[in-house]
Amino acid sequence: NAGVTQTPKFQVLKTGQSMTLQCAQDMNHEYMSWYRQDPGMGLRLIHYSVGAGITDQGEVPNGYNVSRSTTEDFPLRLLSAAPSQTSVYFCASSLDRAGYGYTFGSGTRLTVV
Amino acid sequence: AQKITQTQPGMFVQEKEAVTLDCTYDTSDQSYGLFWYKQPSSGEMIFLIYQGSYDEQNATEGRYSLNFQKARKSANLVISASQLGDSAMYFCAMREARLSGSARQLTFGSGTQLTVLP
Repeated sequence: NAGVTQTPKFQVLKTGQSMTLQCAQDMNHEYMSWYRQDPGMGLRLIHYSVGAGITDQGEVPNGYNVSRSTTEDFPLRLLSAAPSQTSVYFCASSLDRAGYGYTFGSGTRLTVV
Repeated sequence: AQKITQTQPGMFVQEKEAVTLDCTYDTSDQSYGLFWYKQPSSGEMIFLIYQGSYDEQNATEGRYSLNFQKARKSANLVISASQLGDSAMYFCAMREARLSGSARQLTFGSGTQLTVLP
């Protein structure tokens, strides 16, 4: 049982480049989310999905796109990387129940130079 | 307004002592869940404990307990008998049940860095 799998673990991009962070879960969770973690700011929600074909914006969506074509996969696309997107990115998944916590992937450390 | 407030950026505790990490929250929802996560230096997010807004008893999980004071909107984490391995960043988070949209996702506080001293 792999849980939530994120790839890559580390990435360095040049300003203006695009890339996709991959996220897959094998727990049949309806909810999937992307967070970014910056020092002193906790985790902030970028985009989320409540099921295949349904996505919506979180607190800090600018510069990112998502899609959810299957229950298992929820990739995050950086359209044109900027130094302000240097961060640690976490993907997480959950069932649609208030008392159910999120399972997190191991994170992707992204540096934009 | 911040939904989750953790006012202690850093805390120190002596090994084997108990420590309380503070968390206050803000919501108009009557149904919500409160979570604590641990993030060691390796970076992964580890779920520790959950408290539901309708739970009458404070949640406990081994050495972790949650001091839930609903009227004060606080959900403090208590770690008893601290161990060196407890040194980590601790995040309080909330999930609102009845509201739609992003409120149904986890909202995090800024975290408390706990250091356990030998």
